[in-house]
Parts: sequence; C-alpha cells; structure tokens
Amino acid sequence: DQQVKQNSPSLSVQEGRISILNCDYTNSMFDYFLWYKKYPAEGPTFLISISSIKDKNEDGRFTVFLNKSAKHLSLHIVPSQPGDSAVYFCAASERGSTLGRLYFGRGTQLTVWP
Amino acid sequence: GAGVSQSPSNKVTEKGKDVELRCDPISGHTALYWYRQSLGQGLEFLIYFQGNSAPDKSGLPSDRFSAERTGGSVSTLTIQRTQQEDSAVYLCASSSGVVRDTQYFGPGTRLTVL
Repeated sequence: DQQVKQNSPSLSVQEGRISILNCDYTNSMFDYFLWYKKYPAEGPTFLISISSIKDKNEDGRFTVFLNKSAKHLSLHIVPSQPGDSAVYFCAASERGSTLGRLYFGRGTQLTVWP
Repeated sequence: GAGVSQSPSNKVTEKGKDVELRCDPISGHTALYWYRQSLGQGLEFLIYFQGNSAPDKSGLPSDRFSAERTGGSVSTLTIQRTQQEDSAVYLCASSSGVVRDTQYFGPGTRLTVL
C-alpha cells in the first residue's frame, strides 16, 4: 500500500502564477520529507527537504509546508516558470532510519504554460 | 564532476532471459541504492549498499532479483528469468553515506520484457 500519496497526477499553471503540489502520507514514523523533480529521460533531482521539527522551509522560489497533524505537505512554486514543467515526486524517510531508504509518491506532472 | 551513470540506457529482452544492469556511482560515495519505477507508479526501493555493511535487500520483489557491489563502487543488478511485470525504469542513486544526505540519481535503464 502506498505510504506516500500524490492524488493529483497532473497540474497546469500559467507562467508567473503559483503552483501548489500536494502530498499526503500515512506512516507516523516518517519525519523527513523531500521533493524531487524529474525531467523526461533523466533521473530525479533533489529540490527541497523539510524535517518534522519544522513546518516550513524555503529555498528561493520553492517553499515546502508541513502539517504533521494532517500528515500533509505541499510544495509551493512562486512564480512558476516554463522550465519548472516536470514531474514532481514527494518522498519520505522514517524516524531513526540510518539507511536512507526513501518512500516515494507516484508523482505530479506540472505543466507551466506561457 | 561526473554524476551517477547507468548502462544500458535501454534494454529489450525476451521473457525468461537474464539481464544485468550496471550503475557507476559518484566517486567517493559510499551509499548506493536501486529503485524501480513501473508505469504510473512511484519509485519503489529495491536494495541499498552502505560501505562494507551487509546490503539491505528488503525491497527486492523476488529471488529472481539480486545485486552486488564490487570494490565499494560499481553495482550490478541482475534479474533472472525475466517476466513481463519486470518491465520498468531501473534507477540507481548514490550518496555520501552521511545520514539523510542527498541521493543523486542516474538517468535510469528502461527495461522492456517482451
């Protein structure tokens, strides 16, 4: 069963607007969350992460919000640019894990149009 | 510097044949992971190597799958007696081995079993 869920397979946003990608998780042992971006024919690349001791982490145009009580996180991209068009994967790892195994969602295809 | 490389980029095989997929991690990275992404699915963890420790094989889907890492560097994922459900993109990632350090992914090998 999917422990990390991305319920929107696709999102289309106009350039300059905000993109909001959502992710839900079921495992209470998850305490570290990541977003990866993937272009076609390339491997995923790390974008931003957040620890469960925080509820927000910002890096330039990208902000991740974590709501632990709702087991929900979101990635905000402001302003969105056409080069942001890619598949975005939400991922998580478990508390106490020294192994680094990541659990991934199915991804959301973001399309930013001019 | 060079990133994670994988070969071949594409592999088409017949059901029942064995295949070998290769991963060259980033130089100096002690941790190496294999994941796979089946059509419409998220990345699924397969196996993890860290230095000289015994690998974590908990994600391997069956005993037809095996992996080794020679000299702490190059890794080979072997699938014996391939089945159509093995068709997927197989992704390798490496990291420095520090807990929760970023995992850097290769471009993947697309395996098609006819």
